[in-house]
Amino acid sequence: KNEVEQSPQNLTAQEGEFITINCSYSVGISALHWLQQHPGGGIVSLFMLSSGKKKHGRLIATINIQEKHSSLHITASHPRDSAVYICAVPIRNTDKLIFGTGTRLQVFP
Amino acid sequence: DTGVSQNPRHKITKRGQNVTFRCDPISEHNRLYWYRQTLGQGPEFLTYFQNEAQLEKSRLLSDRFSAERPKGSFSTLEIQRTEQGDSAMYLCASSLVGAVYNEQFFGPGTRLTVL
Repeated sequence: KNEVEQSPQNLTAQEGEFITINCSYSVGISALHWLQQHPGGGIVSLFMLSSGKKKHGRLIATINIQEKHSSLHITASHPRDSAVYICAVPIRNTDKLIFGTGTRLQVFP
Repeated sequence: DTGVSQNPRHKITKRGQNVTFRCDPISEHNRLYWYRQTLGQGPEFLTYFQNEAQLEKSRLLSDRFSAERPKGSFSTLEIQRTEQGDSAMYLCASSLVGAVYNEQFFGPGTRLTVL
């Protein structure tokens, strides 16, 4: 079993739909990262959170430390949101990251 | 642009050749990480430096791989005698120890194709 698992692996949506991507992890963590990767490869950090909820524009990230689960929500999705979304957690007492395999999101107009 | 930069962005090479990639971190960052990402997978940790010291290497990093950060600033990753299985995206990230959660900032990656 992978230490970081994401679901779904692939997600297709119509423009305007509400999107949810889930991440579950099995290790103790200090914080969880949500990352975005566009075709071409570059990774952009969206959120880093250790508790509760964070919001940035149309993106919302939540985390439940007790349940070892985090969600990334996109409201009013847009074709430019099409990308791979990856969650990552640091290995305890280090800051080396373990990554999920990513969720590939395609938003159609 | 004061972000993490990587060069080259793309490299195509023939099996058996040596390749070297460069990463320039954010200037005040003292930690630098190398990750490898194969198609359809999340990145995997390869090695990391604090200043010029290489603190840890993954068992993924075979003897053909070597990384350096000679002056604690930029880093190079060299692959000798490349194999087709080395084809991947090589990502570099940097962070500042002591900053909030040591947040890592990623570069654009170097995509290696070994023919």
